This record gives sequence, C-alpha cells and structure tokens, in this order.
Amino acid sequence: DIQMTQSPSSLSASVGDRVTITCRASQTISSYLNWYQQIPGKAPRVLIYAASTLQSGVPSRFSGSGSGTDFTLTINSLQPEDFATYYCQQSYGFPWTFGRGTKVEI
Amino acid sequence: EVQLLESGGGLIQSGGSLRLSCAGFGFTFSNYAMTWVRQAPGEGLEWLSGISGAGGITYYGDSVKGRFTISRDNSKNTVYLQMNSLAAEDTAVYYCARLSHIAVPHTRADYWGRGTLVTVSS
Repeated sequence: DIQMTQSPSSLSASVGDRVTITCRASQTISSYLNWYQQIPGKAPRVLIYAASTLQSGVPSRFSGSGSGTDFTLTINSLQPEDFATYYCQQSYGFPWTFGRGTKVEI
Repeated sequence: EVQLLESGGGLIQSGGSLRLSCAGFGFTFSNYAMTWVRQAPGEGLEWLSGISGAGGITYYGDSVKGRFTISRDNSKNTVYLQMNSLAAEDTAVYYCARLSHIAVPHTRADYWGRGTLVTVSS
C-alpha cells in the first residue's frame, strides 16, 4: 500500500497568516493527490483534487501544488473558520490511503 | 442538492454483525461510484471500500477484506456495508461518500454523509 506522510502533525497560526502543509507519498503517484478539510464534529470536505485543482465552492485562499511524491497545501490569509484538520489522500490506486492529518489551531 | 444519509450504526458486541446503509438524494445514483470511510475516535480517516456505479466492481482495504462486503441497490439509491466479525478496533464513525466521476481510483470523494457511529463492545 502507498504510505502518505504529512507534516507537521499540528501547527498554531494567527488570522492572516500563510500556512503550508506538506504530504509525501511512499512512491510516485503522479498528480493523484487530494486534500480534505475536517472541522471537528463534521464530515470531511474536499478542498483540492488532482494536486492543484480547487474544488468548486472552495475559497481561493486554498491552493495545492506538487507532483510525483511531494505535495503542498497552502492556505493564504488564514481565516477563523479554517481551524480544522487537513488530510492528504492518494487516488493513484486502491486501497486509497490518507495521511495522518495536520491540525491547524488558530 | 446532493445528500447522503447513513443509517444502521449502533452498539454491537464483539464478534457480531451489522449492516450500514447510505441513501443518496439529488443525483442520478447509478452514475456514481460510492465509497465508505471510517474514523475511529480521535483518529484519522481510513478508507474501507468502494463500489462501481453498476455494482459489478468492488474494492476493499486490507483491514476489512474478507470481513466487510459492500453492495448497492440502485433501485433504492442505496449503498450498503455489511460488517461481520466485528472487533473493538472497528469502533468508529462510518462515512459514505460519492466519488466524483467514473474514472476510479483517480477521483475524489466530493460529497459525504454525516456519518453513523458504530461501537463494538468487548
């Protein structure tokens, strides 16, 4: 199975900050990488798919980059509603695998 | 509006069985693959299983292969997860989700249900 390693596991930031989360795959996955946001008590929602494509309805302050094995999620100008845990997930092959998550604390 | 509604969770003894259901609304159900993902208390997301739109192709994660069975009834717009030989480590919130397009696995889960809690007591 493809292992997904996220870092950091948690971070503390302030409103208006730029936040970067990284995700590394144990083998090349091309651009088959999705990012999800999960607010406590809620279901996950997809933010970015195919490494860099913004899901419809997601604010443009979210962006993704990378290909191969190394990927990045960036949140520009962090907002209070961005307090959440973020997960990367590879869709290169089944079984899908998720990173362990990055908790963003405001 | 796309909605997914899970049901069937609850408290079950170790070794028991449970069947989860997920009803889809607001889209042509048979046109979309569906998937199940779970989240143990305080833990991350774990992908469990997926099924093609017609139901003829299924996929499983290693931790549930041989114990869980995914199926669907497109006449009822419902996907199921039959869970057998349950153990304490299966305690989790179970989410169903729609896969955004037909080209699995190269896709994303674009709509999620609210989840149903399964608690396995030892």
